[in-house]
This record gives sequence, structure tokens and C-alpha cells, in this order.
Amino acid sequence: GENVEQHPSTLSVQEGDSAVIKCTYSDSASNYFPWYKQELGKRPQLIIDIRSNVGEKKDQRIAVTLNKTAKHFSLHITETQPEDSAVYFCAASPSRLGYSTLTFGKGTMLLVSP
Amino acid sequence: GAGVSQSPRYKVAKRGQDVALRCDPISGHVSLFWYQQALGQGPEFLTYFQNEAQLDKSGLPSDRFFAERPEGSVSTLKIQRTQQEDSAVYLCASTSPGQNTEAFFGQGTRLTVV
Repeated sequence: GENVEQHPSTLSVQEGDSAVIKCTYSDSASNYFPWYKQELGKRPQLIIDIRSNVGEKKDQRIAVTLNKTAKHFSLHITETQPEDSAVYFCAASPSRLGYSTLTFGKGTMLLVSP
Repeated sequence: GAGVSQSPRYKVAKRGQDVALRCDPISGHVSLFWYQQALGQGPEFLTYFQNEAQLDKSGLPSDRFFAERPEGSVSTLKIQRTQQEDSAVYLCASTSPGQNTEAFFGQGTRLTVV
């Protein structure tokens, strides 16, 4: 089955800096890669996703890049703000199943200091 | 409803007790997933329903875990003879029809087995 590795496990940045979180996946059949933000005690919420037919997607301060050859995708947050502090999860989903079962990484705790 | 609703939010069970966790998905969402999230980890897939049909239960950790969705809407995850290793947050997610569509998560049920 799919295996998703996520690094780093914790990331501390100063407000205004950029943050980068990296994930690798093992199943070449995976074609959908969402990123979720989870604040303490709250539900995971989708912040951005990318499908395997594109290499990059951007939404305001958030961008995701995908390298299918290397089976690698990354989340980039620019101009970080204290409210960006949360745990971020990457995930991958294979196409063969006909439905999108997500395999998650172990998460990155992002702390943005004012 | 406006979002995925889960109840109870918190459940404390004595070891050996049976528990039932409820998920009310977004109206019209045919796909429903259950995930288990251990402390400090990413969610892990348990089972998938398409309408009332349970199409994938490969993630259920043992035969003590049972899920149903008899009318294709509300789903119940039942855990029999709970054990301490069952302590986790149980998340429900629903998606609109199709593949690679956004999974909307509920706030989860935090189960603590003492």
C-alpha cells in the first residue's frame, strides 16, 4: 500500500518568514495530493490540493509543488503569520480504487512566532 | 447539514466496554470514510462506504471494530470490548461523488479507554 513520509516533524519560524514542508510517497498510482491544516482539538481542514497532471499550484500565500518522477511534493507558505500555527498533514490518494482513500503523513507542527 | 457532525465529542470507556460513535455526513455526500488518529499522528484509514455499501474495510484493526450505514446517510462505528490501544480520535469524513474530491472532516470523537 501507499506510504507517505513527511518532514520536518516540527518547524519554528519568525513571522514573515517562509515555511516549507516536504513529503514523499511510494505508490506511483497516487494522483491526488491534498494538504490539511489541523488546529489543536479541531477538525482537519483542506488548505490546498494538487492533482498529478500539474506540477505547481498557488493560492495566495500557499503553494504546492509536485515532482511525480521523484514521488515528492511540498507545501510552501510565504509571509507566515501567527495564525498559520497548526499541524499540517500531507496526504496521497491512489487512482486505482475509484475513490479517494487518503494516506496521511505524520504531520508537521508549525509554530510562527510574532 | 452545514458540515460533518460527530457525536459524542468525548467518550471515556472502561476497558471491555462497547462503544458506538456516530457520524452525520454532509447532505448529498454518498462517500463516507472513517479514520483513526492516534495522539501526535496523522489520520489512518479504517473503512469506506458508498451510500449504504461498505466497499472497503481493510483498515479496521480487528474484528472488534464494526461500521454500518444502513440508510446511506448516518454512519455508526462500533467498537466491542474496548482496549487501551483503541484510545484515539475517530474522524469521519464525507465527499461529494467522484474521485479526488475534497474530504470534509467532522470534529471527531476522542475515545479514552481506562
